[in-house]
Amino acid sequence: DVKVTQSSRYLVKRTGEKVFLECVQDMDHENMFWYRQDPGLGLRLIYFSYDVKMKEKGDIPEGYSVSREKKERFSLILESASTNQTSMYLCASSYGGQETQYFGPGTRLLVL
Amino acid sequence: GEDVEQSLFLSVREGDSSVINCTYTDSSSTYLYWYKQEPGAGLQLLTYIFSNMDMKQDQRLTVLLNKKDKHLSLRIADTQTGDSAIYFCAESIGNSGGYQKVTFGTGTKLQVIP
Repeated sequence: DVKVTQSSRYLVKRTGEKVFLECVQDMDHENMFWYRQDPGLGLRLIYFSYDVKMKEKGDIPEGYSVSREKKERFSLILESASTNQTSMYLCASSYGGQETQYFGPGTRLLVL
Repeated sequence: GEDVEQSLFLSVREGDSSVINCTYTDSSSTYLYWYKQEPGAGLQLLTYIFSNMDMKQDQRLTVLLNKKDKHLSLRIADTQTGDSAIYFCAESIGNSGGYQKVTFGTGTKLQVIP
């Protein structure tokens, strides 16, 4: 079974803090993705990566950055958290050239 | 650009059939997907259909694709309480970068009443 894990299920941070969300997959997938999920808006793509050290902006990259130093790990960074970044964050991965994505359980982030 | 739309909520009685609908705007989609999200969990792939197919059946699930109307539906036969979840429609489209971009709909929350 494909397994995608996220470092935290719940996080509470204060405005202005730097936040790291970690995602690890164990299936040697080339592609990894970060989404945020908000009620009524569905999933919106923040960043994705199709190879180590490669990254591409998604639809809503503002306020976020990413890091992919190893193939199995993709990190999402909030340099200075703001209250409008309170959301559910979902990580996903897929094989190169295939579109089926496998999701982690999500991290629910609350920024106070 | 691509846009995928779904109604936000559907309520059905246990044992009835559920039909969740989705419309999309980009006719060049390659695959269309249905994902299921149970409370507190990530998304799980339920089924998918290649864009040159009209129908796909997998046990209690039937996917219908009408390319002319850009309409996708998921029918769940004999709906059970365990089917209560949010269902996301998604389409994949090739782009100039040479990879497939997946766009998700807003999700339909299915409530099954015992």
